[in-house]
Amino acid sequence: DAKTTQPTSMDCAEGRAANLPCNHSTISGNEYVYWYRQIHSQGPQYIIHGLKNNETNEMASLIITEDRKSSTLILPHATLRDTAVYYCIVSALTGRRALTFGSGTRLQVQP
Amino acid sequence: SAVISQKPSRDICQRGTSLTIQCQVDSQVTMMFWYRQQPGQSLTLIATANQGSEATYESGFVIDKFPISRPNLTFSTLTVSNMSPEDSSIYLCSVRVRAASSYEQYFGPGTRLTVT
Repeated sequence: DAKTTQPTSMDCAEGRAANLPCNHSTISGNEYVYWYRQIHSQGPQYIIHGLKNNETNEMASLIITEDRKSSTLILPHATLRDTAVYYCIVSALTGRRALTFGSGTRLQVQP
Repeated sequence: SAVISQKPSRDICQRGTSLTIQCQVDSQVTMMFWYRQQPGQSLTLIATANQGSEATYESGFVIDKFPISRPNLTFSTLTVSNMSPEDSSIYLCSVRVRAASSYEQYFGPGTRLTVT
């Protein structure tokens, strides 16, 4: 699976959009970009994933650049409950592969 | 999606003993995984557990220490054997499910283990 690079930490004001970047310059053509978050001591929560088109669901939007070497997770109106560690993972998830977690970005939403 | 439950949610155990963690999924899944998350660290894959075959362990993890059972498509257990304080971690069960043209992976709430 391709390696990803994320900032260690970010702050965001409550009610504002949180934009979390991720670099994955060695991504392969069949690899998807997955985003998860982990709120303190809970199991990781699936947020969204995409291949090359932008994706949106009830939780967030995922913007993938045309060359697929980077992406941004957007939480449109951050709340205090969005404070968590956010993981960007690139994987084809085929065969016996499981997701490999890096260090993620610790997002702190400020009141 | 998949809803995953784990038992126990937490436990405090004495060194030298063993603990078996149960993972139950609300639907039949082929691929199940067990992860460990040590304090302040990210998740590390322990093994892949497929029904009808032996678990496949990642580097640094061995069957004698972490035996896994997978009796059917909705259930698995992970045993942490001969525990030491270094085994104090959150243990997470995870499953992979098909979603349209790709896959998604879901996680249980975790079992917080403290070894004294």
